[in-house]
Amino acid sequence: GAVVSQHPSWVICKSGTSVKIECRSLDFQATTMFWYRQFPKQSLMLMATSNEGSKATYEQGVEKDKFLINHASLTLSTLTVTSAHPEDSSFYICSALRTGTGELFFGEGSRLTVL
Amino acid sequence: GQQVMQIPQYQHVQEGEDFTTYCNSSTTLSNIQWYKQRPGGHPVFLIQLVKSGEVKKQKRLTFQFGEAKKNSSLHITATQTTDVGTYFCAGPRGEYGNKLVFGAGTILRVKS
Repeated sequence: GAVVSQHPSWVICKSGTSVKIECRSLDFQATTMFWYRQFPKQSLMLMATSNEGSKATYEQGVEKDKFLINHASLTLSTLTVTSAHPEDSSFYICSALRTGTGELFFGEGSRLTVL
Repeated sequence: GQQVMQIPQYQHVQEGEDFTTYCNSSTTLSNIQWYKQRPGGHPVFLIQLVKSGEVKKQKRLTFQFGEAKKNSSLHITATQTTDVGTYFCAGPRGEYGNKLVFGAGTILRVKS
């Protein structure tokens, strides 16, 4: 089946640093990818929609300057958490919409811990 | 805004007992999807229901979509320890679309 890979799967960083998370569709093209955030024992909350070749659209309450999204190719979207703070610690999950079929596949998630 | 509510929040069952989680949307859905997330893992797609009143089965799992397309249920018969995890329902925002609104999830624990 289709695979969406996220890297890194976990990362620990110091407060004030920036962290980049990659989301790759390994065997299909994805014009659209979605970024979710999940706090412990909570549901997934959509942060933004990443569109290849154009600007991402952010959900209400999500700071676009804080969470930079780049979707430079049909198989890669990146989420950069800038100037990370402890409250940014979370599980970040991407999903990729398979172009042409509408199937949605989730990545394995990236667990960010900011010290 | 659109809400997807899920109950119960948590259920602890004895192995072999049945389990059901219920999902209710504040709006009519074009489809509903179910995901399973193992502890420490990521959501894995289980199924999508599209038709009003649709019932689909996957081995011991039975999924149902309500007639009004606003509610759904997942029933597991004779739970096993491998069923442990959080089960989420999700529906598209608005009547159609690929942005999903997730329910809060139901955590299932199975005692052997």
